Amino acid sequence: NAGVTQTPKFRVLKTGQSMTLLCAQDMNHEYMYWYRQDPGMGLRLIHYSVGEGTTAKGEVPDGYNVSRLKKQNFLLGLESAAPSQTSVYFCASDSGLSNQPQHFGDGTRLSIL
Amino acid sequence: LAKTTQPISMDSYEGQEVNITCSHNNIATNDYITWYQQFPSQGPRFIIQGYKTKVTNEVASLFIPADRKSSTLSLPRVSLSDTAVYYCLVGRSNDYKLSFGAGTTVTVRA
Repeated sequence: NAGVTQTPKFRVLKTGQSMTLLCAQDMNHEYMYWYRQDPGMGLRLIHYSVGEGTTAKGEVPDGYNVSRLKKQNFLLGLESAAPSQTSVYFCASDSGLSNQPQHFGDGTRLSIL
Repeated sequence: LAKTTQPISMDSYEGQEVNITCSHNNIATNDYITWYQQFPSQGPRFIIQGYKTKVTNEVASLFIPADRKSSTLSLPRVSLSDTAVYYCLVGRSNDYKLSFGAGTTVTVRA
């Protein structure tokens, strides 16, 4: 009964380094999302996907790229990390059907030095 | 996209009922009202959703007046473990433009 799993849970990077955050869901959901959450703020949508092989920009896409090569996985990439990208990143998924809620992972805490 | 307004914070004591009101004056006909709960160091968790009137589940109740311009989440007999941030969202659940505002931080004290 895993739901949405995010790896890694914590990571510290130096400015300019790259990394990929992995999100995996076992609920056969069509839609997947990446959010970031900064202190005292709600979640802001970075990118989302409405199906395998498709991605789209959300509210704050700059500095990030995503891929959805397999239905169950949604990857978030930082090509050249910046201190402004220090945040907690959440992945979510849902079935894409009306009225079905999003299911969230427990987040990846990323610090950029 | 319907904008929501909810209090920034609320304090309560164990055993009390907590009511959080969310305003959404420009809610659309097809929009649903959904509440999520977020504990520290965890992702948000769905708690309840409604369209009109009253919805109740094992965790909470959701009251929606006829004009649907507001909604009230009711948490009965809260405990310390109900301390969390509560988000009110308005839209269709498969609307990827759903916006999580800052939410309401509910602090339950002994």
